[in-house]
Amino acid sequence: GQQVMQIPQYQHVQEGEDFTTYCNSSTTLSNIQWYKQRPGGHPVFLIQLVKSGEVKKQKRLTFQFGEAKKNSSLHITATQTTDVGTYFCAGRAYNTDKLIFGTGTRLQVFP
Amino acid sequence: EAQVTQNPRYLITVTGKKLTVTCSQNMNHEYMSWYRQDPGLGLRQIYYSMNVEVTDKGDVPEGYKVSRKEKRNFPLILESPSPNQTSLYFCASSLDSFSYNEQFFGPGTRLTVL
Repeated sequence: GQQVMQIPQYQHVQEGEDFTTYCNSSTTLSNIQWYKQRPGGHPVFLIQLVKSGEVKKQKRLTFQFGEAKKNSSLHITATQTTDVGTYFCAGRAYNTDKLIFGTGTRLQVFP
Repeated sequence: EAQVTQNPRYLITVTGKKLTVTCSQNMNHEYMSWYRQDPGLGLRQIYYSMNVEVTDKGDVPEGYKVSRKEKRNFPLILESPSPNQTSLYFCASSLDSFSYNEQFFGPGTRLTVL
């Protein structure tokens, strides 16, 4: 069945350093979504990518969707302590109702 | 305020004692879903519902039941809980099941089965 893997599982960075998490799907995706879950909280939608090669930015966050629509990345420039949390990608294959979540990357930022 | 609510937020129970976790949304969403979150495994879908009286299995449905009698409610039922169902559970909803809709998550229910 469809699988979505994320790496790394954990990342510890010093405040001000950059951070990237990668998401890889076993099947071609119709779209991919990214969510952030703060410690003790629930996942909150960040963004959705639909087109092959699409790049979107939200302030210090840059999201990319691969040309083959099987991978995606989230890059945070100059991390801040407010970026702490777990970042999930979620992909939907064509002709399916299911949104498959990645395993998540837990980001810790040290001041 | 648009939201997804879950009750209870925390529950400690014993093996075999039937329980229900309620989920309700006030956004008139058609699509609702249950996930469990376990360390290192991310969010795994248990069941989902595309509309009233329409439910289907997700990736880990064993040991769970759901019903969708009203659009706003989507309870999760554990007929005979076992310790391997100890987890953090999230209910989520979205406008419909089409690809381009974000999911809104409830606050979560932390379940411990002894």
